[in-house]
Amino acid sequence: KQEVTQIPAALSVPEGENLVLNCSFTDSAIYNLQWFRQDPGKGLTSLLLIQSSQREQTSGRLNASLDKSSGRSTLYIAASQPGDSATYLCAVESSGSRLTFGEGTQLTVNP
Amino acid sequence: GAVVSQHPSWVICKSGTSVKIECRSLDFQATTMFWYRQFPKQSLMLMATSNEGSKATYEQGVEKDKFLINHASLTLSTLTVTSAHPEDSSFYICSAREARLPTDTQYFGPGTRLTVL
Repeated sequence: KQEVTQIPAALSVPEGENLVLNCSFTDSAIYNLQWFRQDPGKGLTSLLLIQSSQREQTSGRLNASLDKSSGRSTLYIAASQPGDSATYLCAVESSGSRLTFGEGTQLTVNP
Repeated sequence: GAVVSQHPSWVICKSGTSVKIECRSLDFQATTMFWYRQFPKQSLMLMATSNEGSKATYEQGVEKDKFLINHASLTLSTLTVTSAHPEDSSFYICSAREARLPTDTQYFGPGTRLTVL
């Protein structure tokens, strides 16, 4: 059974700081890994998707890496802004189109 | 980009009643839709996968007679919580996948918050 763990559970940083969120998964037989953002009481916004054959994806200030063999992914956020405050979820897709989510990292960027 | 809507966005009901939640793909045809449940401070847990025109596949521990899923068309799936109890109070989120798009993309709805009194 796939298990996804995210560290840290919560993170508070001053505006402008670069930061890294971590995600690990137990079964390396994945199709892809995806990072989402969730604002309080809201649905999910997809940020980046990395195919199992890829090493990283970039979008603006966000960069996600994937090391499938070690079961790890990181989400790097450059020059953080207060608007980045949200919960960030990592999810891996395994057989049967099943997405397994981590419990998220709650990020607060202080002005 | 592809848009998925849910209705209602929130609902409050009495214990013992049934509640129906709709999930619609607005600008694409979804051959597969997924239903997730999220309890406070927890992550999303997949409840079931539904393919248009066929019965839903439920995850272990999810009661299919309590959570009725219907995917009658390529743009609509419904989740009915039957005889709801307070422990069913949760945030329900659907996602949809279109066959013509890369098969690795699920588009998520905004969620429905259910409160059972």
